[in-house]
Amino acid sequence: GAVVSQHPSWVICKSGTSVKIECRSLDFQATTMFWYRQFPKQSLMLMATSNEGSKATYEQGVEKDKFLINHASLTLSTLTVTSAHPEDSSFYICSARKREWNNEQFFGPGTRLTVL
Amino acid sequence: GNSVTQMEGPVTLSEEAFLTINCTYTATGYPSLFWYVQYPGEGLQLLLKATKADDKGSNKGFEATYRKETTSFHLEKGSVQVSDSAVYFCALNPNAGGTSYGKLTFGQGTILTVHP
Repeated sequence: GAVVSQHPSWVICKSGTSVKIECRSLDFQATTMFWYRQFPKQSLMLMATSNEGSKATYEQGVEKDKFLINHASLTLSTLTVTSAHPEDSSFYICSARKREWNNEQFFGPGTRLTVL
Repeated sequence: GNSVTQMEGPVTLSEEAFLTINCTYTATGYPSLFWYVQYPGEGLQLLLKATKADDKGSNKGFEATYRKETTSFHLEKGSVQVSDSAVYFCALNPNAGGTSYGKLTFGQGTILTVHP
């Protein structure tokens, strides 16, 4: 159990367009989902924490109007990169956590975003 | 604040060699400690974890012991295989009583390449 999927696995878009990335917990209900950004050969940086039914909590320095997060159900969270620019190109990874599982997070496979 | 420092890579080994990847941390209270592995093109997978001092996490031949006196959680494997080639991340999850509970802090990652 504890499978997390992301869609799409990769996306290429033009500068100025918006891109939506989905994160789904396939076999459990996730009370909390996290969104990370990973630059090439670097560590993961937490962008925001998303709790079902409430607004996301963004980390310092992350533009909430740029990176829109919606956690509408216990199995789905979405990250929308609005008006994407080349500097937004990165690997975006989500993780999901279930309250009863204490502090363990399960990670999705990631989405590679390339903005031309 | 919390931080995790890993030994810099890349690490290149021959098959059946002994592996050590150092990890030290800074945190208040009693964090949980994790090692994650990321294979090429994939998301992170939990490799092992330890939730309190002197705990030893182990999985797939890998081990790490939570050393509070040295604030370390070094990853070891006695005999590496080509299939172990991946990026390894050390991470901590802070004290459950804190407001940052559930947020993982990652080290910068260590690239391991194992040659036949």
